[in-house]
Amino acid sequence: AQKITQTQPGMFVQEKEAVTLDCTYDTSDPSYGLFWYKQPSSGEMIFLIYQGSYDQQNATEGRYSLNFQKARKSANLVISASQLGDSAMYFCAMREGLWYGNKLVFGAGTILRVKS
Amino acid sequence: DTAVSQTPKYLVTQMGNDKSIKCEQNLGHDTMYWYKQDSKKFLKIMFSYNNKELIINETVPNRFSPKSPDKAHLNLHINSLELGDSAVYFCASSQGTKNTGELFFGEGSRLTVL
Repeated sequence: AQKITQTQPGMFVQEKEAVTLDCTYDTSDPSYGLFWYKQPSSGEMIFLIYQGSYDQQNATEGRYSLNFQKARKSANLVISASQLGDSAMYFCAMREGLWYGNKLVFGAGTILRVKS
Repeated sequence: DTAVSQTPKYLVTQMGNDKSIKCEQNLGHDTMYWYKQDSKKFLKIMFSYNNKELIINETVPNRFSPKSPDKAHLNLHINSLELGDSAVYFCASSQGTKNTGELFFGEGSRLTVL
């Protein structure tokens, strides 16, 4: 069964506007972590933001914030004030359980293109 | 200094050959992983090691053999290469000193099998 679903294969956003990338997940484990990674065309995987299942507040890192809706099992990434350099593939991922060595399962990704 | 480094970055080889990819991390992490990214960009875990011990083996053909000589190194050897093995292989490491335990990825090794 698909654990992580990213329903938007591609998105466009105008420079300086905000954009939301969707992610839903499926788990019966009460302990889990949710991650977002960015993969630019150069290919490297860049960690952006993390949300733990017990975290009370939505995670934020600079222009990135995670809209965590536990009951809906969604963990959408919000990028504010988009920049041309934000154009990349974005992956949502989940780790089940508390141990950091458990595997990350990735979604299929969303390609974001920022227009000038 | 690159935190997680993989060599080589590019491999082009013929079907049936054997090849290896090496990975080293200087972050002091004790868990390392191999992920495969296919042509559709889908990332899937293959193996993980914790302190040199294999802990995840995700139904990968036994032509793939990981080896971890110490906790800073994780190598991947592939025997009898097939066309379907063409992909980008990412090494990663993690450590739970922060709650997140996020994965730090290498730059990837692009394998092309002809």
